[in-house]
Amino acid sequence: DAGVIQSPRHEVTEMGQEVTLRCKPISGHDYLFWYRQTMMRGLELLIYFNNNVPIDDSGMPEDRFSAKMPNASFSTLKIQPSEPRDSAVYFCASSPLFTEAFFGQGTRLTVV
Amino acid sequence: KQEVTQIPAALSVPEGENLVLNCSFTDSAIYNLQWFRQDPGKGLTSLLLIQSSQREQTSGRLNASLDKSSGRSTLYIAASQPGDSATYLCAVRFSGSARQLTFGSGTQLTVLP
Repeated sequence: DAGVIQSPRHEVTEMGQEVTLRCKPISGHDYLFWYRQTMMRGLELLIYFNNNVPIDDSGMPEDRFSAKMPNASFSTLKIQPSEPRDSAVYFCASSPLFTEAFFGQGTRLTVV
Repeated sequence: KQEVTQIPAALSVPEGENLVLNCSFTDSAIYNLQWFRQDPGKGLTSLLLIQSSQREQTSGRLNASLDKSSGRSTLYIAASQPGDSATYLCAVRFSGSARQLTFGSGTQLTVLP
């Protein structure tokens, strides 16, 4: 397996634009997580899914953020409209239950 | 509140030295604890996973220990090399809460040649 795959690796967008981040988890993993990493706050969980169902989205900062997992092999995190304070590295991770979590390479988002 | 703390925030050592990175957590009821390495501008690489029933795990020059009762874990790196320079993150999966990992803020390690 190629691991968790995220795209794009880098995204630069203007304030107010819609941004969509994509993630392909490792096949067979039941859990998918979206994290955000900033210098100030470190790694924060935004939302996680179990068997494609969103379980806990309490970390989603605002209604501008939404996430979907239409099937076991694909998830998206959307920000609409984007703001400069959304600039961060966004990570997707997947794991089986209670075992090792694997992270993607991240998407570095810059909103200007 | 369930929290994970890593001290120190940064550490610099000469090559060849053995070193210990520390991680503490506020709730002893955990499923497991995972150590990660993150290189600048890169993703997180899993180093070791310790289940709550285990006391330690080893991989090459790395050894991680777990003491649930005191809420502590250590990552021991033997014979450090400049290539070990990175940020090391500790993450805990607490029992009874959601299934996510709660991360510490990391220790930035620099191994000087």
